[in-house]
Amino acid sequence: DAKTTQPPSMDCAEGRAANLPCNHSTISGNEYVYWYRQIHSQGPQYIIHGLKNNETNEMASLIITEDRKSSTLILPHATLRDTAVYYCIVRPEGKAAGNKLTFGGGTRVLVKP
Amino acid sequence: EAQVTQNPRYLITVTGKKLTVTCSQNMNHEYMSWYRQDPGLGLRQIYYSMNVEVTDKGDVPEGYKVSRKEKRNFPLILESPSPNQTSLYFCASSLSAGIGELFFGEGSRLTVL
Repeated sequence: DAKTTQPPSMDCAEGRAANLPCNHSTISGNEYVYWYRQIHSQGPQYIIHGLKNNETNEMASLIITEDRKSSTLILPHATLRDTAVYYCIVRPEGKAAGNKLTFGGGTRVLVKP
Repeated sequence: EAQVTQNPRYLITVTGKKLTVTCSQNMNHEYMSWYRQDPGLGLRQIYYSMNVEVTDKGDVPEGYKVSRKEKRNFPLILESPSPNQTSLYFCASSLSAGIGELFFGEGSRLTVL
């Protein structure tokens, strides 16, 4: 069962920031928040992950609330190529936890000109 | 270039004809996994491997076999394919189980008639 809740779809204007919310109210202390995206039927692509601090890389920023029950992925300047399904996943870190990713329904993001 | 390579990318076959989907990674990753993706059901894990000679069932292992004789390869075997195994399959790998991002292959679209 997916441990995250995301809106099924959202539109975004090209050049504007896209803010993708994710609720993970049952997240455990050792679970990270990961974001992936899938463009059309290609393999999912890693975007970013974090534990409790905000994170930023060349693709996006991840804002995690202080209670860690929700997070927001920010695409600072959305382009048409960012049109994809975005998946928010929580996952325990460490070998003992294995590496099973449970993908929920994701958010279908459509970037419009 | 770091990558996960799957073959074949597309295959149409008939019920009962054994087939193998190969997966190879060139990143010296310990962990490898297979997923299938179906409309409305999302990505579901079939099998995973923590290291050479170590494999375990995911959420939907019925009808599939895997082997991990070498670190770089993780083939998915359908001994007697059935139409309900028509799906889009993804292989993925990561440096180690539970650590870091998963790298996905480009996918193998399988149709069983």
